[in-house]
Amino acid sequence: NAGVMQNPRHLVRRRGQEARLRCSPMKGHSHVYWYRQLPEEGLKFMVYLQKENIIDESGMPKERFSAEFPKEGPSILRIQQVVRGDSAAYFCASSRGQTDTQYFGPGTRLTVL
Amino acid sequence: KQEVTQIPAALSVPEGENLVLNCSFTDSAIYNLQWFRQDPGKGLTSLLLIQSSQREQTSGRLNASLDKSSGRSTLYIAASQPGDSATYLCAAPNSGNTPLVFGKGTRLSVIA
Repeated sequence: NAGVMQNPRHLVRRRGQEARLRCSPMKGHSHVYWYRQLPEEGLKFMVYLQKENIIDESGMPKERFSAEFPKEGPSILRIQQVVRGDSAAYFCASSRGQTDTQYFGPGTRLTVL
Repeated sequence: KQEVTQIPAALSVPEGENLVLNCSFTDSAIYNLQWFRQDPGKGLTSLLLIQSSQREQTSGRLNASLDKSSGRSTLYIAASQPGDSATYLCAAPNSGNTPLVFGKGTRLSVIA
């Protein structure tokens, strides 16, 4: 059973470009969470999705950021018009049920030049 | 709003020593608590999950305890090894919600 997969592992963008981060949950998991880890800071929750629905996006910036988890395919975290402050490691986690263990992917390290 | 604090921020011990990492949380209405390990530049590895009805969980040389009434959890590592060197993160759900709130971690160095 493959773990949570994220791609790309490293992403470099120039200011103003778009970044698309993908996350494939573990098999049998329908709950997906995105977290961000800024340099020298702890992990912060961004958004929680369950197939085709956004359950909680209280941690997501109101502008430029969006997330989806379609019926088919991976979950996508999209950042439009990136700025240097978006440089961080973005982690995706998945779980089978709402109160089950969350398993984390290896992360996507975004660098904005 | 849940807040998670971990003490100490960093710890250096000689190989073979038993050690305890501490985690405290402000909202005790949690249904579980998780401990993770993060190696530099890598993702998170889930170590132990303790359900709210449990007092402790064990996996190999690791033992995690949970005291909801006092808002504390500890991770006990027995007979530490250099391979245990990593950052250990404690995470608890926000009040009644699923998303995890993380502490800033304890950076552990085990010296051979």
